[in-house]
Amino acid sequence: SQQGEEDPQALSIQEGENATMNCSYKTSINNLQWYRQNSGRGLVHLILIRSNEREKHSGRLRVTLDTSKKSSSLLITASRAADTASYFCATDAIDYKLSFGAGTTVTVRA
Amino acid sequence: GAVVSQHPSRVICKSGTSVKIECRSLDFQATTMFWYRQFPKKSLMLMATSNEGSKATYEQGVEKDKFLINHASLTLSTLTVTSAHPEDSSFYICSARTQPSTDTQYFGPGTRLTVL
Repeated sequence: SQQGEEDPQALSIQEGENATMNCSYKTSINNLQWYRQNSGRGLVHLILIRSNEREKHSGRLRVTLDTSKKSSSLLITASRAADTASYFCATDAIDYKLSFGAGTTVTVRA
Repeated sequence: GAVVSQHPSRVICKSGTSVKIECRSLDFQATTMFWYRQFPKKSLMLMATSNEGSKATYEQGVEKDKFLINHASLTLSTLTVTSAHPEDSSFYICSARTQPSTDTQYFGPGTRLTVL
């Protein structure tokens, strides 16, 4: 069953601005992962943060994890038109199965 | 990084026919593969988990006889949609893990199935 819930559902920003999206989940997790999906395509793995980590960076991406609040955030800094995509969080809990959130659709305007 | 391919990328079929979708790990051995279904503008729903050489484990609500999964080798899993109907139209995505307990899943590019 779906565990992650994402907020907002959609986000429209100007190129160069930052984009922030949040993910909440319900049960204990081993790790939380963020993926990007361009329209009609497969998923691209962006970043994985383990349950004992609080923050992680990868290029223009910054992910935080608050296990006490069961929430995570993904920040994309200095956005580009190529960042236009849907972003999903996925929690890895029992049996190492991924449970995906509903996703946030990000549109970066040139 | 590890590459997972899917074939075909899109398929259109008539109602009542069966369609087979292949998922291959190109440069690694996948002990575990997963099949997901995604409706338009929606999230991915896990359908089943397959381990090489054993029967697939289906998620609740997924019909085993409708969606046949075979994981005959460490690099290939197939999903067969039997007696397809328009409501089976969807985007099907597979993913693979090198070990059952490793963190990273590698996703295929997806297969768009349209049933007329």
